Amino acid sequence: KAGVTQTPRYLIKTRGQQVTLSCSPISGHRSVSWYQQTPGQGLQFLFEYFSETQRNKGNFPGRFSGRQFSNSRSEMNVSTLELGDSALYLCASSHLTRGSGANVLTFGAGSRLTVL
Amino acid sequence: EDKVVQSPLSLVVHEGDTVTLNCSYEVTNFRSLLWYKQEKKAPTFLFMLTSSGIEKKSGRLSSILDKKELFSILNITATQTGDSAIYLCAVEAPGSSNTGKLIFGQGTTLQVKP
Repeated sequence: KAGVTQTPRYLIKTRGQQVTLSCSPISGHRSVSWYQQTPGQGLQFLFEYFSETQRNKGNFPGRFSGRQFSNSRSEMNVSTLELGDSALYLCASSHLTRGSGANVLTFGAGSRLTVL
Repeated sequence: EDKVVQSPLSLVVHEGDTVTLNCSYEVTNFRSLLWYKQEKKAPTFLFMLTSSGIEKKSGRLSSILDKKELFSILNITATQTGDSAIYLCAVEAPGSSNTGKLIFGQGTTLQVKP
């Protein structure tokens, strides 16, 4: 059974550019969450999608956006990149829609973004 | 403000030692606390704790929750070099129970030397 797949694994951008990251959840998982991980802040929640709808949102500026497709694959986009956006972006999926255990997440290996 | 604090932030031990990692939390309407292990990139799930005083155990790892004192500990006995990793503690965000929205601590980086 394939795990959570994130692409690209590494990318380098310059300030002002935009970036799109992709996440394919485990087959059958309908919930996809995104997290930003930096050395100073740890893992911070960006947003969660379920059945193509944003179910939860973290405290990030509007430059961070996402979407989910009918096959549960998800993308996140960051526009007008800033140096502080350099981070590991982790995607996670869950097999339960709601109820106990729905927050037990399976994470992908992440996309390492460097902004120069 | 809801928050999760882990201590220590880093720890170096030798193989065979026993370690205790701490996680304290302040969150309204607490429902569950989770532990993850992050070795290279992808955090992997270890335990979920919802009830106070009930120990969860998996091999050399165990964890317990104290809901009165608002903390959890993760114990690793007879440590091995393969236990070297970042250990992450997280709680459900208030108002988002049983969803993918978690509040994470900063993690404890454990290094086990041969």
